[in-house]
Amino acid sequence: KNEVEQSPQNLTAQEGEFITINCSYSVGISALHWLQQHPGGGIVSLFMLSSGKKKHGRLIATINIQEKHSSLHITASHPRDSAVYICAVDTDKLIFGTGTRLQVFP
Amino acid sequence: GAGVSQSPSNKVTEKGKDVELRCDPISGHTALYWYRQSLGQGLEFLIYFQGNSAPDKSGLPSDRFSAERTGGSVSTLTIQRTQQEDSAVYLCASSFTGGAAGEQFFGPGTRLTVL
Repeated sequence: KNEVEQSPQNLTAQEGEFITINCSYSVGISALHWLQQHPGGGIVSLFMLSSGKKKHGRLIATINIQEKHSSLHITASHPRDSAVYICAVDTDKLIFGTGTRLQVFP
Repeated sequence: GAGVSQSPSNKVTEKGKDVELRCDPISGHTALYWYRQSLGQGLEFLIYFQGNSAPDKSGLPSDRFSAERTGGSVSTLTIQRTQQEDSAVYLCASSFTGGAAGEQFFGPGTRLTVL
């Protein structure tokens, strides 16, 4: 069993839909990261959080430390949100989930 | 300001040859990380440098892999006697501080193809 599990693996949505991507982990962590990887391969850090909730524009990330679970939400999704979203947990190094491939269609 | 840069962006080499991949972190960032992303696989940690401390090499897959960081800035990842399974995108990231406090900024990666 992987230490970091993401679901779903693939997700398609119509423009405007509300998106949720889930991440569960089985190890003790100091922080959790959500990353975005576009088709060109570049990786951008979206959030780093260790408790509660963070919001940036249309993106919201939450974490429940007791349940070892985090969610990434995208409100009013847009085709430009199409990317792979990766959850990574910070132990003394990053352990990555396998990513969720999101496609948003107009 | 400039982000993390990596060179070359693409490298094609023959099996058995040595390769060097370079990472220039963001100026002032004390922590530097190397990761690997094989085709169809997730990201995999390789090595972590924090300031002048001994690096965390626990992710290096074999003794053919080594990395150094000179002067606390530029880092070079060296793969000796490359094998086809070494083909992957090698990503470098840096952060102002290491550990949980450090948001990581990723470079564009070097795509290595071993023929």
